[in-house]
Amino acid sequence: GESVGLHLPTLSVQEGDNSIINCAYSNSASDYFIWYKQESGKGPQFIIDIRSNMDKRQGQRVTVLLNKTVKHLSLQIAATQPGDSAVYFCAEGEANSKLTFGKGITLSVRP
Amino acid sequence: GAGVSQSPRYKVAKRGQDVALRCDPISGHVSLFWYQQALGQGPEFLTYFQNEAQLDKSGLPSDRFFAERPEGSVSTLKIQRTQQEDSAVYLCASSSRGIGGNTIYFGEGSWLTVV
Repeated sequence: GESVGLHLPTLSVQEGDNSIINCAYSNSASDYFIWYKQESGKGPQFIIDIRSNMDKRQGQRVTVLLNKTVKHLSLQIAATQPGDSAVYFCAEGEANSKLTFGKGITLSVRP
Repeated sequence: GAGVSQSPRYKVAKRGQDVALRCDPISGHVSLFWYQQALGQGPEFLTYFQNEAQLDKSGLPSDRFFAERPEGSVSTLKIQRTQQEDSAVYLCASSSRGIGGNTIYFGEGSWLTVV
């Protein structure tokens, strides 16, 4: 699989490969982190979340890793499928406060 | 309802016109958020309600923007004297608790174009 930081807006992967999408967050006080997937013309769809007292959480085909030391969040997608093609956003928040979204990365899956 | 519902889905407004965007959150959800998303950008926070109380409106870009949730359920975002820079997707989201609590679910958005 490939990895990309937020300064590279597009990630292209081969169908079946693993994808890694990275995100650097800015607020050291953030204690809640979420990954959203947004398809064209639709609202953001929740993928997976993680709280600051954890460093890894797994879902179905997805894993989120949190490194609070360097304020880095990543989303790993196993066996990427064409239906995974979308824009992915990381978001961070504090208790009783707003979510702040990153700029987003486009994931393009090659058949 | 099954999800967050927003209406209208698409709105074309003439510059200077007032618009009202409606959000029906998931039934029983205490928290409601409004976000603005410009083309090619991530959502930007506008305002947050817990029940009928507007706890944070720091993201509203000007006094032309006003949001309400009088009975702690349905919310309306009103934009007065619309301008071209108001063209964006307006997203509503809800959760059963506040940030750091339960999952925040988004609606499909209201697409506003000001001409």
